[in-house]
Amino acid sequence: DTAVSQTPKYLVTQMGNDKSIKCEQNLGHDTMYWYKQDSKKFLKIMFSYNNKELIINETVPNRFSPKSPDKAHLNLHINSLELGDSAVYFCASSQGSLSNQPQHFGDGTRLSIL
Amino acid sequence: AQSVTQLDSQVPVFEEAPVELRCNYSSSVSVYLFWYVQYPNQGLQLLLKYLSGSTLVESINGFEAEFNKSQTSFHLRKPSVHISDTAEYFCAVRPYSGAGSYQLTFGKGTKLSVIP
Repeated sequence: DTAVSQTPKYLVTQMGNDKSIKCEQNLGHDTMYWYKQDSKKFLKIMFSYNNKELIINETVPNRFSPKSPDKAHLNLHINSLELGDSAVYFCASSQGSLSNQPQHFGDGTRLSIL
Repeated sequence: AQSVTQLDSQVPVFEEAPVELRCNYSSSVSVYLFWYVQYPNQGLQLLLKYLSGSTLVESINGFEAEFNKSQTSFHLRKPSVHISDTAEYFCAVRPYSGAGSYQLTFGKGTKLSVIP
């Protein structure tokens, strides 16, 4: 029973393409996140949604557009992919505004741009 | 704003030896502290957290971390490591409240390699 699941696990595509990554959580959480982990393993928050409302939007190019159809899903669509987008993207979820609650992470989507 | 510094990017240690992974943080507000572990090709898993109370917190697999407010540190220790502890370890902080309380700020990670 996967708590936070992301698809696909691996994504290899060419520069200029548009791709989406899907994330679903079955923990009943109301807050979901996207993180980017670069080649040096550094993790940085990209977006956060609470009850389907965007609450964090870090300095991410507007080619990245998150979409939350409901509290259990947060998808990430990327337009016009660039070489620098190659990274591992992690989805996470937590119980909302309670900052003492840990975040639960998916296994990541490894995006490689050719 | 918060920042987290993990002083060692790589720590090699022999099996059954003790280990300490160092973490220091900087924040203008009070924060909760977390250690996450990432095994190869997997996502992050919570290892332990400090919220309040006793400054020494323990995990179920033998790790412990001590919160030191005066030194703004949250070092992770294990008295005897096992091969299966080989992984990347991330220290993270999250403010008690405010807009920033929705996000974790991570350190750059420490790769622990246990040598047989």
